Amino acid sequence: GAVVSQHPSRVICKSGTSVKIECRSLDFQATTMFWYRQFPKKSLMLMATSNEGSKATYEQGVEKDKFLINHASLTLSTLTVTSAHPEDSSFYICSARYLQDQPQHFGDGTRLSIL
Amino acid sequence: SQQGEEDPQALSIQEGENATMNCSYKTSINNLQWYRQNSGRGLVHLILIRSNEREKHSGRLRVTLDTSKKSSSLLITASRAADTASYFCATDAGYGGATNKLIFGTGTLLAVQP
Repeated sequence: GAVVSQHPSRVICKSGTSVKIECRSLDFQATTMFWYRQFPKKSLMLMATSNEGSKATYEQGVEKDKFLINHASLTLSTLTVTSAHPEDSSFYICSARYLQDQPQHFGDGTRLSIL
Repeated sequence: SQQGEEDPQALSIQEGENATMNCSYKTSINNLQWYRQNSGRGLVHLILIRSNEREKHSGRLRVTLDTSKKSSSLLITASRAADTASYFCATDAGYGGATNKLIFGTGTLLAVQP
């Protein structure tokens, strides 16, 4: 089946650090990638949708300058949390999809802890 | 909020029993999908049912969709301890274009006791 690799799986860093998370589709071309945030025992909240070669579409309330998304190729999207603070600590999950109206394939998530 | 709701929030059953989870949503949809999430992991796609379908099967899974009631159910038959996970429904409203997005429900935490 379709495989999406997300890296790193866990990050612990000091407040003020910028953190980059990578999401790769390993065996298919991901025309669209999605970034989610999940709080403990809660559902997934969509942060942004990115299409290869174009700017990401952010959901209401998500700061574009705080969460930088790049989708430079059909197999790679990155999320950079800039100048991270403790309130940015969360579980971040990416997903990728080849065509609309098809399932999304998820990475294993990145647990970000800001001290 | 567009987010759907699932019930029950938590379900504990014995191995071999059936587990039924329900999902309600608010908008018209193009399709509805069910996903499973093991603790601390990403989501795994289980089944997709389109708005013109009423029932779909995949192995021990059975999904129903009632668009008039804006609801869906996921039935897992003959449950196993390995089925222990959180289960989410997600709706695709199909607004068109490449940015169709999923709205996830609140999830049901299923615990299957051996």
